[in-house]
Formats: sequence, C-alpha cells, structure tokens
Amino acid sequence: DAGITQSPRHKVTETGTPVTLRCHQTENHRYMYWYRQDPGHGLRLIHYSYGVKDTDKGEVSDGYSVSRSKTEDFLLTLESATSSQTSVYFCAISEGGRYYGYTFGSGTRLTVV
Amino acid sequence: TQLLEQSPQFLSIQEGENLTVYCNSSSVFSSLQWYRQEPGEGPVLLVTVVTGGEVKKLKRLTFQFGDARKDSSLHITAAQPGDTGLYLCAGGVNSGYSTLTFGKGTMLLVSP
Repeated sequence: DAGITQSPRHKVTETGTPVTLRCHQTENHRYMYWYRQDPGHGLRLIHYSYGVKDTDKGEVSDGYSVSRSKTEDFLLTLESATSSQTSVYFCAISEGGRYYGYTFGSGTRLTVV
Repeated sequence: TQLLEQSPQFLSIQEGENLTVYCNSSSVFSSLQWYRQEPGEGPVLLVTVVTGGEVKKLKRLTFQFGDARKDSSLHITAAQPGDTGLYLCAGGVNSGYSTLTFGKGTMLLVSP
C-alpha cells in the first residue's frame, strides 16, 4: 500500500474552469508539498503545509490555493485554469528536518485546453 | 533564491562505462539530497548528505558533498540500463527545517 497517493493521475480541463488535485498520505508526516515539473524549469514549489490548516507559499503560487483540513489530505486548487498551468504536478511528504528526504507521489498530468 | 546548477543536462553512455554528474551552487546548503526519477513516476530519494566532505556509497553509486557544502557529485561505476533516469539534486538551507530547492536534473541514458 503506497504511503502517498495522488488523484486523479490524468486530467484534461478547459481554460477558466476550477480544478482540484488531491494528495493523500498514510504516513502521518507533518509536512506536505505541491510541486510542478516543467521542461526547462525542473521542480518548482507551489505551496507547502507544515501542519493542519498551516500553509505557506512557494516560488510559483500565483493562481493556486491549497487547503489542509486533515493531516492526511492536502488539496491543490487551480482557481481558474490557464494554459500556462498545463504541467505535471507532484505531491510530496516529509517528516521535516535536514536529515529527512521527501517521498513523492506518482504525479498528476494536467492539460488545460 | 538558492540555485542549484546541474551538469551535464543530458548524458548518453554505453553499459559498463563510468560517469559523474555534478551539482553546484553559490549558496551554502545544510544538506543535499539526490533523487532518481523514472518516466511517469515521482522522484525517489537515493541519499542525503549533511557534512562537508562527506562521501556515501550505495552499491555502484558514490555521492560526495563538497567541503564548503556548495557542491556535490554523483559517480556511477559500470553503468547499467537500469540506471537510466533523471537524476535530481536538491538542497536545504537551514539546519532545522527548510523546503528543498531542486536542480533541473541530469537525464542519463544507458544503452545495452
């Protein structure tokens, strides 16, 4: 049983529609993250959470919001999808601290048409 | 913003060859991690190094953290097709908690 799952794995949506991606963990880790991965840009942090209802912005947060009402779930919402948000989105979890790495989900491929 | 520069961007070699990929920054990192990512999957952690000059070995993979904690290298001995993937380095700034900054990666292709 995977410790972190993302849903959906693939989604095609129209410009201007809201979209919510879900990340679910069974590891009880405190920290959760949303990254996007694009050719030429690598992995860029969108938002992260350091506890229930505690979130902060990353380097590419414009146009995105997040919520964490339970330890195990971290939601990423594209308020009004644009073509520039076509990307692969990864969720990650961590226990925190410099000795701990991240465990990533398998990603969501989002296409905005 | 701390930047991590990885080189080369792409590497294509034959099975059995040795290779080294590099991760460099002008910033000092309190820890540095290496990940491998296969197509259609998320990155998977290979190693974490935290002490300047530290060397860690994982089978045929050798990781080194620079003395000044600004750079790192990954050396693979006798590469195999199963080593094919995107290798990412990632650094954390603070000694306590901080988010990771990722390099853009080195794409390694090992042909039989």
